[in-house]
Amino acid sequence: RKEVEQDPGPFNVPEGATVAFNCTYSNSASQSFFWYRQDCRKEPKLLMSVYSSGNEDGRFTAQLNRASQYISLLIRDSKLSDSATYLCVVNPGGYNKLIFGAGTRLAVHP
Amino acid sequence: EAGVTQFPSHSVIEKGQTVTLRCDPISGHDNLYWYRRVMGKEIKFLLHFVKESKQDESGMPNNRFLAERTGGTYSTLKVQPAELEDSGVYFCASSPIPGVSYEQYFGPGTRLTVT
Repeated sequence: RKEVEQDPGPFNVPEGATVAFNCTYSNSASQSFFWYRQDCRKEPKLLMSVYSSGNEDGRFTAQLNRASQYISLLIRDSKLSDSATYLCVVNPGGYNKLIFGAGTRLAVHP
Repeated sequence: EAGVTQFPSHSVIEKGQTVTLRCDPISGHDNLYWYRRVMGKEIKFLLHFVKESKQDESGMPNNRFLAERTGGTYSTLKVQPAELEDSGVYFCASSPIPGVSYEQYFGPGTRLTVT
């Protein structure tokens, strides 16, 4: 079983749609959680950290459920520029390395 | 503020040759990480420096890989001799003091092709 699992997609949505991505992680002792965004042939860029209380940044909302070991990302009012791969990333604690999911591809069309 | 930089952006070498990748972290970041993405797989951790010391090298695939960070500034990752399965994108990341933030900032990567 992979340490971080994501639905690979692709999710094809029209502009303006709301789309949600889910992610599960296997290590219950994991300490920090993130969503990164990766454009084609580019580096991962931090989109947002994920907190137990949930957090929102503009059109993006992230939730963490520690009991179910589940992380989500909600994107409202999708833009063409949101097209990318969204990586669920977990810090298992200890030495601070990051564990990446394989990513979920989002394609927003006009 | 300058981000993480990596050199070269691309490298094509033959099996058995040696390649050295370089990473310059964000100024003031004590933590430096190397990751790798091979085709079709997720990004995987290789190792972590705190200043010039190796904190965690559990992800290094074998002894053909050697990472250094002399002086605690830039880092190099040498692959010697390179094998076909070493092809992929090598990312470097840096972060400030752990415990303050666990967020890591990535460089543009070096795309390595071994033929």
